[in-house]
Formats: sequence, structure tokens, C-alpha cells
Amino acid sequence: KNEVEQSPQNLTAQEGEFITINCSYSVGISALHWLQQHPGGGIVSLFMLSSGKKKHGRLIATINIQEKHSSLHITASHPRDSAVYICAVLRNYGGSQGNLIFGKGTKLSVKP
Amino acid sequence: NAGVMQNPRHLVRRRGQEARLRCSPMKGHSHVYWYRQLPEEGLKFMVYLQKENIIDESGMPKERFSAEFPKEGPSILRIQQVVRGDSAAYFCASSRDNREVLEKLFFGSGTQLSVL
Repeated sequence: KNEVEQSPQNLTAQEGEFITINCSYSVGISALHWLQQHPGGGIVSLFMLSSGKKKHGRLIATINIQEKHSSLHITASHPRDSAVYICAVLRNYGGSQGNLIFGKGTKLSVKP
Repeated sequence: NAGVMQNPRHLVRRRGQEARLRCSPMKGHSHVYWYRQLPEEGLKFMVYLQKENIIDESGMPKERFSAEFPKEGPSILRIQQVVRGDSAAYFCASSRDNREVLEKLFFGSGTQLSVL
């Protein structure tokens, strides 16, 4: 079993819909990152969370440390949100700051 | 204000050849991280370097792979005697900080290595 699991693997939505992507992990962590990988392959860092909730524009990320779960929400989705969304965690023991464990990603497609 | 620059964007090698992947971090960043993304798999950490030092190489295969980040010039990921299984996208990221937990990583566009 992977240490970081994302669901769903694939998600198709209509423009304007509210989207939720989930990430569960099985290790103790110091931080959790949400990344966006564009169809061309480039990767952008969206959020780093260690507790609570963060918001940036139409994106909201939450984390529940006790339940070892994080969600990424997109409000009023748009076709340009189509990408692979990746969850990555930094273990709180061993390893260095860049030694992240990645989920396999959720491929989001937003139809106009 | 250039971001993280990786080159080449695509690299084709025959089995047994050497592959050299370059990464120039963002201006002012002295920490570099390399990750590999195999087909149909998630990203995997390979190595973390500061200028002239390897900090964490726990994700590097024991043989044929090496990395450096010299005082001058880009970071280099070197793969000797490539095999088909090395075909993957290799991403570099950089950061300014050496805090315990990074706020943000800045990624390059990746190098797609294809081994024939």
C-alpha cells in the first residue's frame, strides 16, 4: 500500500462545478504540499500545509492531522484548471526537507 | 527573473551511453532537489544538494547515478551506461531556504529522457 493515496484517480467535471480532490497518508508528517502538473509537464507548487486551511483565489486546501487527510477544493472550475493535482508529504522523521513522498496524482479534466 | 531552468528538454540516448541533465536554480537559490517520474508512476525523490555538498542522496540508485552542484554552474544529474528502465521525466526544483520545512518549491520544466 502506498504511503500517500489520492482519490479519485481521474475526475471529469463541467465548467463551474465545485471540485474536491482527496489525499490520505499513513505516515507522521511535518508538512503536506499540493502541486499542479500541467499537460505540458511543468509543475507548480500550490500550497504547503502543516495545519488548518489555506485559500488562494478559487483554490482551498485543508488538512486534518489527526485523520491524516487533506483535501483540495476548486470553486467555479474552469477548463484552464485541467491538470494533474499531486499531493506530497514530508515525513516528520528521517529524511531532509526535499525528501517528499508523492501520491500518484489526480487527473482533472474540466469541460466547457 | 528566470525560473528554474532545465536542459535539455528532451534527451535521447542509446543503451550504454551517458546522460547528463542540467539544472540551473532560480537566482538566489542555493538548494537543489532532483526527482524522477517514471511512466504511469508518481514522482520520487532522488537527491538534495547545496552548493558543493550532497545533503541527502537516499533516493538515488546505488549504481550508475551521480549528482553534483558545483560552486559555479548548474547542478548536474549524471546517469552512466543508461538502460531502458531509466527512461523517465527528471525534474529539478530549487529553494532559497534551509528551514526544516519548505514553504514552497520551484520546479523546472523537466527533462524527458528516452533510452532506445
